Amino acid sequence: EVQLVESGGGLVQPGGSLRLSCAASGFTFSSIAMTWVRQGPGKGLEWVSGMSGNGDFIYYADSVKGRFTVSRDNSKNTLYLQMNSLRAEDTAVYYCAKFRGGGSPKYYHMDVWGKGTTVTVSS
Amino acid sequence: QSALTQPPSSSGTPGQRVTVSCSGSSSNIGSYTVNWYQQLPGAAPKVLIYSNDQRPSGVPDRFSGSKSGTSASLAISGLQSEDEADYYCASWDDSLNGWVFGGGTKLTVL
Repeated sequence: EVQLVESGGGLVQPGGSLRLSCAASGFTFSSIAMTWVRQGPGKGLEWVSGMSGNGDFIYYADSVKGRFTVSRDNSKNTLYLQMNSLRAEDTAVYYCAKFRGGGSPKYYHMDVWGKGTTVTVSS
Repeated sequence: QSALTQPPSSSGTPGQRVTVSCSGSSSNIGSYTVNWYQQLPGAAPKVLIYSNDQRPSGVPDRFSGSKSGTSASLAISGLQSEDEADYYCASWDDSLNGWVFGGGTKLTVL
């Protein structure tokens, strides 16, 4: 069974940092592109970042570019999101999702999502 | 403001057919396929339609998708109470070099 489990969320002060993890199982992780999508309280879905299976293609939303870094450890079947210089508007549930294929994420759809981890940025 | 425009709400009675529209531009829907996601209250999103009109296994054939030019639509026939959820369209956008979601449509079954 394909599973994605996010962790690492919590309460952090503005300007602080947090690293999210997404543990994957049930599929060949290194062959699959992955992505982070967030949802602010009472708001819609917002794509954050995406990465191909081998790391050749990495994309960021303008709202997080220069502050967030996506990475993956294919030996640990884990996707990461390093979040620095956090702002109140980064408060959201962060979902990890896998794409249907492994190349550039633009050509596939997000077919399995995790349950999400909550990040709250507040003083 | 989302790059993809959806009506914020829609409603229907059980058994009825409803459609949800998603309007984009040449840099997203006009050049790439559209996917639709269903988010039930308190749950993570789930793919409902991918590549404009394809249903993943397990999704009832009451759900269908279509695309024409820079717009797409999700149709739900034989509306059921369990279809009450938020629905989002999504597509890649070349101008933004990233994925874009519509603002979401909250479907209420009366």
